[in-house]
Amino acid sequence: QKEVEQNSGPLSVPEGAIASLNCTYSDRGSQSFFWYRQYSGKSPELIMSIYSNGDKEDGRFTAQLNKASQYVSLLIRDSQPSDSATYLCAVFHSGTYKYIFGTGTRLKVLA
Amino acid sequence: DVKVTQSSRYLVKRTGEKVFLECVQDMDHENMFWYRQDPGLGLRLIYFSYDVKMKEKGDIPEGYSVSREKKERFSLILESASTNQTSMYLCASSPTGGNEKLFFGSGTQLSVL
Repeated sequence: QKEVEQNSGPLSVPEGAIASLNCTYSDRGSQSFFWYRQYSGKSPELIMSIYSNGDKEDGRFTAQLNKASQYVSLLIRDSQPSDSATYLCAVFHSGTYKYIFGTGTRLKVLA
Repeated sequence: DVKVTQSSRYLVKRTGEKVFLECVQDMDHENMFWYRQDPGLGLRLIYFSYDVKMKEKGDIPEGYSVSREKKERFSLILESASTNQTSMYLCASSPTGGNEKLFFGSGTQLSVL
C-alpha cells in the first residue's frame, strides 16, 4: 500500500462545474496535509493546507480532512480551463519529518 | 518572496560522470529537500536536511549523496551517473516545523546518456 494514494485521472469536468479530487493516506501519525498544483513543466505551488478535521475554504477551493477515515479532498468550484493541471496531495509525518507526496491527479477542465 | 534557486534548468551528462546539482534558498529556512519526479511515480524523496551539516535519507537515496555546508545551500551529488537517474530533480525548502509549506525551485531536468 502506498503511503499517499491518489487517482491518476485524468479527471475531466466541464467549465463551471465542481471538480472533486481525493487522497488517502496510510500513516495515522500524519499531522499536516497539503494540496499543490503543478502545471506541465513547472514546479508545484501550494493551493491549500489543512491540519484539523473539517473543511477549510479559500476562494474557489475547499480542502476537507477526515482523520478517522484517513482521507483528504480538494473541491474546486466554478472550474476554469486555467485550473487544468496535476494536483498533488502531500502529507507531513511528524515522526520521520518527511513530506510524502501522492502521484497526483491530472485535472482537465473543458471549455 | 522566498526564492529557491537551482543552478541548472537542463543538464546532459554521460554515464559514469559525477554530477552536482546545486540548490540555494534565500529565506534562512532550516529544512531543505531533494525530490525526483518521474511520470506515474510522483515526487519521491531522495534526501533531506533539517540543519547545517545534517542529512537524512529519504525513500530512494541509493546512488545519491548530499552536502549541506551552509544553511542556504543544499547540494545533491550523483556519484556515478546512470541512465536510470534521468529525471526531473526538484529542490525545496521550508521553515522549521512540519506545518509549513514547501517552497520549490524551478527544477533541473537531468538526462544521463
